[in-house]
Amino acid sequence: SAVISQKPSRDICQRGTSLTIQCQVDSQVTMMFWYRQQPGQSLTLIATANQGSEATYESGFVIDKFPISRPNLTFSTLTVSNMSPEDSSIYLCSVQTGGDQPQHFGDGTRLSIL
Amino acid sequence: SQQGEEDPQALSIQEGENATMNCSYKTSINNLQWYRQNSGRGLVHLILIRSNEREKHSGRLRVTLDTSKKSSSLLITASRAADTASYFCATRSNFGNEKLTFGTGTRLTIIP
Repeated sequence: SAVISQKPSRDICQRGTSLTIQCQVDSQVTMMFWYRQQPGQSLTLIATANQGSEATYESGFVIDKFPISRPNLTFSTLTVSNMSPEDSSIYLCSVQTGGDQPQHFGDGTRLSIL
Repeated sequence: SQQGEEDPQALSIQEGENATMNCSYKTSINNLQWYRQNSGRGLVHLILIRSNEREKHSGRLRVTLDTSKKSSSLLITASRAADTASYFCATRSNFGNEKLTFGTGTRLTIIP
């Protein structure tokens, strides 16, 4: 399976600032996704990162708050903008190599907003 | 909203016992996947079972799928302290989309 590196692993940020999370894969993948996991909760899909075009956002998530880039088939970034304490969560990227294959996840970014 | 519901929400058993977790979902699926998460870390993929399969095994793990009841179960046999984690089921829809919808999760604690 693909090796996924996610940076940073954790951060503590001030209210109103923005943070960009990086996801690097060691091989080309067709699909990349970003999830949020709020404290004690399950995972919720934020968006599908599309290579060379705008990300596809799920209901409740907007581009202005969570801009996503995917410049190539091995890299994506998620920015959490204008952060508030409600954004304190674990953010995870996942990849799928295609077809009827499982998704594999990075180690996540644990984000705390003061 | 979450499609999958898992029960129990939390389970504590003695080391060496078997642990069973259940997952129910609402819509037609292409496949169902089980994941493990240790202490808020990333998810580790355990097993993928396709909609035309009824049972799969991997080591001490056994997964069943009943599409008529829209449910799945994960059995961990001969549990170990290292199995302590949260377990999630995730479904992939039949409707041409690769995205996963996660269940609520079961927190498993193995008592040494």
